[in-house]
Amino acid sequence: GAVVSQHPSWVICKSGTSVKIECRSLDFQATTMFWYRQFPKQSLMLMATSNEGSKATYEQGVEKDKFLINHASLTLSTLTVTSAHPEDSSFYICSASGVEDTQYFGPGTRLTVL
Amino acid sequence: AQSVTQPDIHITVSEGASLELRCNYSYGATPYLFWYVQSPGQGLQLLLKYFSGDTLVQGIKGFEAEFKRSQSSFNLRKPSVHWSDAAEYFCAVAAGPGGYNKLIFGAGTRLAVHP
Repeated sequence: GAVVSQHPSWVICKSGTSVKIECRSLDFQATTMFWYRQFPKQSLMLMATSNEGSKATYEQGVEKDKFLINHASLTLSTLTVTSAHPEDSSFYICSASGVEDTQYFGPGTRLTVL
Repeated sequence: AQSVTQPDIHITVSEGASLELRCNYSYGATPYLFWYVQSPGQGLQLLLKYFSGDTLVQGIKGFEAEFKRSQSSFNLRKPSVHWSDAAEYFCAVAAGPGGYNKLIFGAGTRLAVHP
């Protein structure tokens, strides 16, 4: 089946620094990638949708200048949390879809901002 | 607006017992419905999906779900639960079948399995 990886799986950073999270589709070309955020014991909330070579579409209430998304190739999308603060601590999950009609999810990245 | 309601936040069953997880959706057009499972600290795995046709759909790991338009429901079932089924289960709805359609998730149901 389709495999999606994320790197790193967890990261701890100081407040004010920026953190980049990678999402890769390992065995298929992902024309669309999604970024979700999940707080403890809560559901996934869609942050943005990105299509390869285009600007990401952000959901209402998500700061696009804070959460920078790049989808430069058909196998890689990155989420950069700029000037991270403790309230940005969360579990970030990406998903990817290609020619199939299914989103495949990555294992997630746990971000802790001190 | 699309929405998904999972009434049960937490369910506990004994191993070998049957299971039903409830899901109700709100959507004006034909819904595309999904069930995902998430193990602790992991991403989501697709269990099954319904787009059209037979309203009883079979998924992986022995799960099935039934789409009932009159009740706006898409409940997940399993006849005999295994300890490894303990996880978080999410129901989701999308506007279309394509992978490019964003998913709207329910709050999730946490399943605990007693030996």
